[in-house]
Amino acid sequence: LAKTTQPISMDSYEGQEVNITCSHNNIATNDYITWYQQFPSQGPRFIIQGYKTKVTNEVASLFIPADRKSSTLSLPRVSLSDTAVYYCLVGDVGSGNTGKLIFGQGTTLQVKP
Amino acid sequence: DTAVSQTPKYLVTQMGNDKSIKCEQNLGHDTMYWYKQDSKKFLKIMFSYNNKELIINETVPNRFSPKSPDKAHLNLHINSLELGDSAVYFCASSRGLAGGYTDTQYFGPGTRLTVL
Repeated sequence: LAKTTQPISMDSYEGQEVNITCSHNNIATNDYITWYQQFPSQGPRFIIQGYKTKVTNEVASLFIPADRKSSTLSLPRVSLSDTAVYYCLVGDVGSGNTGKLIFGQGTTLQVKP
Repeated sequence: DTAVSQTPKYLVTQMGNDKSIKCEQNLGHDTMYWYKQDSKKFLKIMFSYNNKELIINETVPNRFSPKSPDKAHLNLHINSLELGDSAVYFCASSRGLAGGYTDTQYFGPGTRLTVL
């Protein structure tokens, strides 16, 4: 099972870049790494997904080293509205349509003015 | 239009009761999930259905029984509710769960269950 570990919490200030790292030492060859964002009283929302190297979209960047045992979500120039819980998800897909999806414990990001 | 909807949003009940939570998705997805989020925000998968077939069944008490009448619906029935069942339950759906990737999941707004 691919288990993930993230920092429990992080603080930042508006306008700063925030990097959240997730460890997944047992990641399997076919696993992708996905990050979700969750605001209070809402369900998680997809941010970004990647397999290796770097992925960038309009919201964030995802950096994955060659060994894929960790990944770093980078949020450029955060604002107060980025205050949320961020989850790292590593797909552990077995044969066919079976598999297990394991969320990390989440990182609570608090952005201060 | 709500992509993934759950009812009810809040559910307060007594220990020992039986209750159901309903979930519907209008995204045309083949796979649906139930997650439990405890007070520490830990999000844990419980069940997953693909085209009405159970494909993931985590270590969950058999008091919890999912039912998928069609691929757009996945309901969760809980028998003999216990205090420890108090949590937020999220339904989610994805296009598929196959091959070498994890499809993006779309989550519902959650159902906050409080057992007294």
